[in-house]
Amino acid sequence: KAGVTQTPRYLIKTRGQQVTLSCSPISGHRSVSWYQQTPGQGLQFLFEYFSETQRNKGNFPGRFSGRQFSNSRSEMNVSTLELGDSALYLCASSQYPGGKTEAFFGQGTRLTVV
Amino acid sequence: SQQGEEDPQALSIQEGENATMNCSYKTSINNLQWYRQNSGRGLVHLILIRSNEREKHSGRLRVTLDTSKKSSSLLITASRAADTASYFCATDPFEGAQKLVFGQGTRLTINP
Repeated sequence: KAGVTQTPRYLIKTRGQQVTLSCSPISGHRSVSWYQQTPGQGLQFLFEYFSETQRNKGNFPGRFSGRQFSNSRSEMNVSTLELGDSALYLCASSQYPGGKTEAFFGQGTRLTVV
Repeated sequence: SQQGEEDPQALSIQEGENATMNCSYKTSINNLQWYRQNSGRGLVHLILIRSNEREKHSGRLRVTLDTSKKSSSLLITASRAADTASYFCATDPFEGAQKLVFGQGTRLTINP
């Protein structure tokens, strides 16, 4: 079974630009969660999608948004990038929403904002 | 928001020794999970222990859960250099937003 695939792996953007990250979950998984990881804040929950509906959202500004498609693939978008958005963005898929079952993580997208 | 706190923040031991990491949390949970992360990579699930369980084993890993103390421990026996990584506990809160909440992690270094 293929794992969770995140693209791209690395990204360099300029302040003010926008970026879209992609996540393909494990086949059969309908829940996709996104996390931001930084050295100072650790792993911060961004949002979770299940069956194309956002079930949960973390404490991030509206510049951070996401969506999920009918094939469970998910994208997250960050608009008007700030230097502080530099981070490792991790996507996780699971069979069920919430934290009820184990989550399978992708390798992450390393975003650098300059 | 509720967050697990791992202790210690960093741990350095010799290969072959046992490593113990602790996690404390604040509110009632449905389950607690442990994950490993190699430098700059994705997280790998290690063990999930439910609130009605007290101990689980997986290979060289042993996890305990004490819901009365709101704490969990992860024991890695006979450590190997490949165990060098960061280890995170994550809780599924019984009430409130249904999501995994991660602690800050323990950085484990195994010296050859």
